[in-house]
Amino acid sequence: DVKVTQSSRYLVKRTGEKVFLECVQDMDHENMFWYRQDPGLGLRLIYFSYDVKMKEKGDIPEGYSVSREKKERFSLILESASTNQTSMYLCASSLGGHPGVTSFMGQFFGPGTRLTVL
Amino acid sequence: DQQVKQNSPSLSVQEGRISILNCDYTNSMFDYFLWYKKYPAEGPTFLISISSIKDKNEDGRFTVFLNKSAKHLSLHIVPSQPGDSAVYFCAADSNSGYALNFGKGTSLLVTP
Repeated sequence: DVKVTQSSRYLVKRTGEKVFLECVQDMDHENMFWYRQDPGLGLRLIYFSYDVKMKEKGDIPEGYSVSREKKERFSLILESASTNQTSMYLCASSLGGHPGVTSFMGQFFGPGTRLTVL
Repeated sequence: DQQVKQNSPSLSVQEGRISILNCDYTNSMFDYFLWYKKYPAEGPTFLISISSIKDKNEDGRFTVFLNKSAKHLSLHIVPSQPGDSAVYFCAADSNSGYALNFGKGTSLLVTP
């Protein structure tokens, strides 16, 4: 079974703090992703990485940065947390490219981190 | 620009009946479509997928139908059970191998 773990389930931080969210996957997946989920807005992609040290902006990268120094680990950084970054943050991983099989399972998600910025 | 749309934010169905969740998309280059299920305070889990070369895929109580000409897919759950109560996300992939495009989700409530 693919396992994606996130460093914290719940986190409370203050405005202006630097926040690190860590994600680790154990299936040697090439791709890793960070999303945030907000009511009525669904899942929005923040950043993704398709290889070590590679990163691509998603739909809402402003206020965030990422780091991928090792294949299994993908970190999301809030440089200066703000109240509008209060959200559920979800990490995911997937194999690179398409496996070419009928049953395509897409991305595997971690349990999420509920971040509250006061 | 939302390429995958789930126009019903919520759906309520009685236990034992059929649940039908709908999804529309705009990009004809999508070649895989997936449904994920999400419980509160948990990450989404993969439910079922369909390739664009198929029009139906079935897995137990879950069936996904794809109508390419209408750019529409639907997830049928028969019979619905209270444990199916969750948010369901439709997603699509354009063979990039990278990011999926997600809809905003439909919250399903199955009542006893």
